[in-house]
Amino acid sequence: EAEVAQSPRYKITEKSQAVAFWCDPISGHATLYWYRQILGQGPELLVQFQDESVVDDSQLPKDRFSAERLKGVDSTLKIQPAELGDSAMYLCASSKGLPGGTDTQYFGPGTRLTVL
Amino acid sequence: RKEVEQDPGPFNVPEGATVAFNCTYSNSASQSFFWYRQDCRKEPKLLMSVYSSGNEDGRFTAQLNRASQYISLLIRDSKLSDSATYLCVVNGGGADGLTFGKGTHLIIQP
Repeated sequence: EAEVAQSPRYKITEKSQAVAFWCDPISGHATLYWYRQILGQGPELLVQFQDESVVDDSQLPKDRFSAERLKGVDSTLKIQPAELGDSAMYLCASSKGLPGGTDTQYFGPGTRLTVL
Repeated sequence: RKEVEQDPGPFNVPEGATVAFNCTYSNSASQSFFWYRQDCRKEPKLLMSVYSSGNEDGRFTAQLNRASQYISLLIRDSKLSDSATYLCVVNGGGADGLTFGKGTHLIIQP
């Protein structure tokens, strides 16, 4: 069964450093999502792409976060500089259909970020 | 702000019992509804979609009440392996994407 791949699985960094996370969605999935999940909370959407275009990044803290999906396939989420409050699980998900549709979202294993 | 509210629990339930969770949502224009299961330190996985007519998948039954804006999940004959966090998820449609509740933590005790 095809899966969403993410790397690294774990990342420890010091505050003010830059970090980057990578996601490879299921082949053929047009829509890609980045979520942040703080311990004890549900995932919160940061940004969603349809192919290479950003559909919604209203919840992305743009002063320090950036996301791209240049060729409409894999995607990178970057934080620069990292802050203590950024410690969380960063989840990538993909779905076959268009954003906002009823297609199932499939999640990757996540990257657990710890900022010291 | 569009919200999804769940009782965080934990629900401690003996093996074999029936347990039910409810979830309420604020966006009356929401179009689709799901229950996801999340094991500790793992990613969420779709458990089942929730349809207006209600739907059943083995020991799991999901119901939607649009008038009252709540969703329920019923687990019958609970197993130890059902221990997990159950996330209520609402799709507002358009660019809103999915809104997740904080999850309900279920512990099945032997």
